[in-house]
Amino acid sequence: NAGVTQTPKFRVLKTGQSMTLLCAQDMNHEYMYWYRQDPGMGLRLIHYSVGEGTTAKGEVPDGYNVSRLKKQNFLLGLESAAPSQTSVYFCASSAYSGRVTGELFFGEGSRLTVL
Amino acid sequence: AQTVTQSQPEMSVQEAETVTLSCTYDTSESDYYLFWYKQPPSRQMILVIRQEAYKQQNATENRFSVNFQKAAKSFSLKISDSQLGDAAMYFCAYRSPYSGGGADGLTFGKGTHLIIQP
Repeated sequence: NAGVTQTPKFRVLKTGQSMTLLCAQDMNHEYMYWYRQDPGMGLRLIHYSVGEGTTAKGEVPDGYNVSRLKKQNFLLGLESAAPSQTSVYFCASSAYSGRVTGELFFGEGSRLTVL
Repeated sequence: AQTVTQSQPEMSVQEAETVTLSCTYDTSESDYYLFWYKQPPSRQMILVIRQEAYKQQNATENRFSVNFQKAAKSFSLKISDSQLGDAAMYFCAYRSPYSGGGADGLTFGKGTHLIIQP
């Protein structure tokens, strides 16, 4: 009954440090996404993946990298964290059956603070 | 690119009353999907209701219903018999069925914070 799991849930970084957020889904979904949520801004797409080994940029990709080496995992990396990357990060996944029609299933979010 | 606008940053309603949250969107596509998600203080994103643009009938889920006006590009959410547990941020979202090229995933509005007065 796990669905979409994100680790870690909370993290505090210093400017310039690096870190990786891990997203795992057990629903065999093709599509996976990383969003960031900032107050008054809604959720904005960082990167997404339409299948194992593929990634694409979303609306706000700068400063982030991603990898999808396994179908069930989608990693979000910050190589050199900046205070502007303080945010809540959400991973999501969705099924694909010839057409992109379904809702997204979200993880519980990861709160990242960059000092 | 599609845009989603929620013009009410905050709404307040008395418990047991009815409240309507507004959402408008801009698209050149004729085939798409619209969603309302609820985000309680726990931060979890919970799907409330979904509407397929080719269906004229408004979607309903128990106390939640939508008023989908395709020509006006409007997609409002009505919550009947409001309960304390309905207090949350509500996000309207748009999805194109055509994947790739930046048209994938959901485009979200900025959200409406719903307060339930006991």
